[in-house]
Amino acid sequence: SQQGEEDPQALSIQEGENATMNCSYKTSINNLQWYRQNSGRGLVHLILIRSNEREKHSGRLRVTLDTSKKSSSLLITASRAADTASYFCATDPPGMLTFGGGTRLMVKP
Amino acid sequence: GAVVSQHPSWVICKSGTSVKIECRSLDFQATTMFWYRQFPKQSLMLMATSNEGSKATYEQGVEKDKFLINHASLTLSTLTVTSAHPEDSSFYICSARWGSGSGNTIYFGEGSWLTVV
Repeated sequence: SQQGEEDPQALSIQEGENATMNCSYKTSINNLQWYRQNSGRGLVHLILIRSNEREKHSGRLRVTLDTSKKSSSLLITASRAADTASYFCATDPPGMLTFGGGTRLMVKP
Repeated sequence: GAVVSQHPSWVICKSGTSVKIECRSLDFQATTMFWYRQFPKQSLMLMATSNEGSKATYEQGVEKDKFLINHASLTLSTLTVTSAHPEDSSFYICSARWGSGSGNTIYFGEGSWLTVV
């Protein structure tokens, strides 16, 4: 069963704008990971945030984790057309990574 | 960084035949690999967890006799779709956990497109 659920399912923005995607999960986790997938391709790991971390940055990416609300957000700042892709959050309880439905992001030039 | 390689990227096979997909961790050892299936515009569905040297653990609803998984070494897991049918056509992706701890990054292969005609 899917543990992570992303919101929104689809997001369309202009280049230069920020994009925020949210993810919620149901049970306790060790970490939460965000991935990016271009159409028909594999998943590219973006960032991992551990359950004892609240915020993490990597370049234009900012991830937050609220374990009390069982939610995470991914912020992409100053978006580019090349950021157009699907973004998934995935939780990692021991032994398994389960995915949410993904957010399809379109960045218009 | 860690790399996971899948082969083949694309495969077309006839109904009733079997097809094997390989998943390799190129610069790290992976005691656990995962196999997923993805339908267009949908999320990934975990099919099974592949454990080196032991039997795979299949998710509910996944036929283990249909989808044979072998994890013979710390760097290679294979998925064999047996007696393939058109409904087995899908995108299959494998992943491998770097390191033995559950808090480590999981890396994905590029996926394999299977078309059964």
